[in-house]
Amino acid sequence: DSGVTQTPKHLITATGQRVTLRCSPRSGDLSVYWYQQSLDQGLQFLIQYYNGEERAKGNILERFSAQQFPDLHSELNLSSLELGDSALYFCASSGDRRGGYTFGSGTRLTVV
Amino acid sequence: SQQGEEDPQALSIQEGENATMNCSYKTSINNLQWYRQNSGRGLVHLILIRSNEREKHSGRLRVTLDTSKKSSSLLITASRAADTASYFCATSANQAGTALIFGKGTTLSVSS
Repeated sequence: DSGVTQTPKHLITATGQRVTLRCSPRSGDLSVYWYQQSLDQGLQFLIQYYNGEERAKGNILERFSAQQFPDLHSELNLSSLELGDSALYFCASSGDRRGGYTFGSGTRLTVV
Repeated sequence: SQQGEEDPQALSIQEGENATMNCSYKTSINNLQWYRQNSGRGLVHLILIRSNEREKHSGRLRVTLDTSKKSSSLLITASRAADTASYFCATSANQAGTALIFGKGTTLSVSS
């Protein structure tokens, strides 16, 4: 157990639907990062939050959004889902932007 | 887009042999990190080397960094079957508002 908790572990949904992925960071970590991993694109950085505020943005589609709540857990919302959104979605946390990240075990999203 | 590029893409060796993976990157960095991922699971932080360091050791791992060539290498000595995994380098840029950018990884297979 890395200390970063992601739920759910697996999600199967239809095209056009909306889903919410949840992440609880390791205790004490203020930063949360979201990554998407697919076979063709590799590990792509989506977005970072630090203590409730958006801090960095990567290749996140407009159909996707995220937020970090006062208790520091974060949610990634994916809407108008397409087949190409099928991927592993990872959350990571860190206490220091320049330090190592602790990753959760991921949510495997399958869009059918 | 990927910052780091690992080489080779895949590596197969026998138990007891050494495994060397290389990573090249494009822009100025604050540090470079290596992560391991077992099939379909979360990434695990292995080692971090800062831009002013040239070599770092951790157990059977040895990492080198050459900032003039914008490259790094990860050496795993005396490989074990349990080292079978994908290995990713990740770079932390010097600028604020950025997160770790990962390469596409090297898949290491260690057979007994």
